[in-house]
Amino acid sequence: QSALTQPPSASGSPGQSVTISCTGTSSDVGGYNYVSWYQQHPGKAPKVMIYEVSKRHSGVPDRFSGSKSGNTASLTVSGLQAEDEADYYCSSYAGSNNLVFGGGTKLTVL
Amino acid sequence: QVQLVESGGGVVQPGRSLRLSCAASGFTFRSHGMHWVRQAPGKGLEWVAVIWYDGSDKYYTDSVKGRFTISRDNSRNTLYLQMNSLRVEDTAVYYCVRDRSWPAGYFDYWGQGTVVTVPS
Repeated sequence: QSALTQPPSASGSPGQSVTISCTGTSSDVGGYNYVSWYQQHPGKAPKVMIYEVSKRHSGVPDRFSGSKSGNTASLTVSGLQAEDEADYYCSSYAGSNNLVFGGGTKLTVL
Repeated sequence: QVQLVESGGGVVQPGRSLRLSCAASGFTFRSHGMHWVRQAPGKGLEWVAVIWYDGSDKYYTDSVKGRFTISRDNSRNTLYLQMNSLRVEDTAVYYCVRDRSWPAGYFDYWGQGTVVTVPS
């Protein structure tokens, strides 16, 4: 049950696009289409943005999109806005009723 | 509206026990699987445990197996986490989380969290 690998930080200017990667193995990310992405602002509980790799949770702007290729999933935020500055976590089903999260990526809007 | 309110956190010495509770409202509690997810200070999220909607099955992350027990009382709309033999590394914010779809890991509602501190 090793954590998924995410870059510690990412950044972009308002209006730009940024992509955050989430790398696992064939036992988790690569083995199931069960990757979710969560946004967490400081001092707040996480909020789901994307589930099942690419489905947007209700109310999430279509600026947020998800994809997967092999053992790596990605979250893309287009048209960056100041309020997108937050920590982002991926998660994946890892088989045998286990779930694993990524280490998190701090997104900075320059 | 859906609400999940955790309670029971606090400071507890290593080796002692603590029971967390999560009061659910605004939805049909008995229809949803529920989870505990924790976050150590300044660290990432860690999935802790899941319990089926009817309590018939429970699963845990390896680091808490044999020490933590997840349970629920559907008549009281309440989720529990009994934590025994606590360790310093169990120090974290513990979130109660509603499962929208398992094993998709689609967690659509989170509580505000309760803080557990196990001092060294």
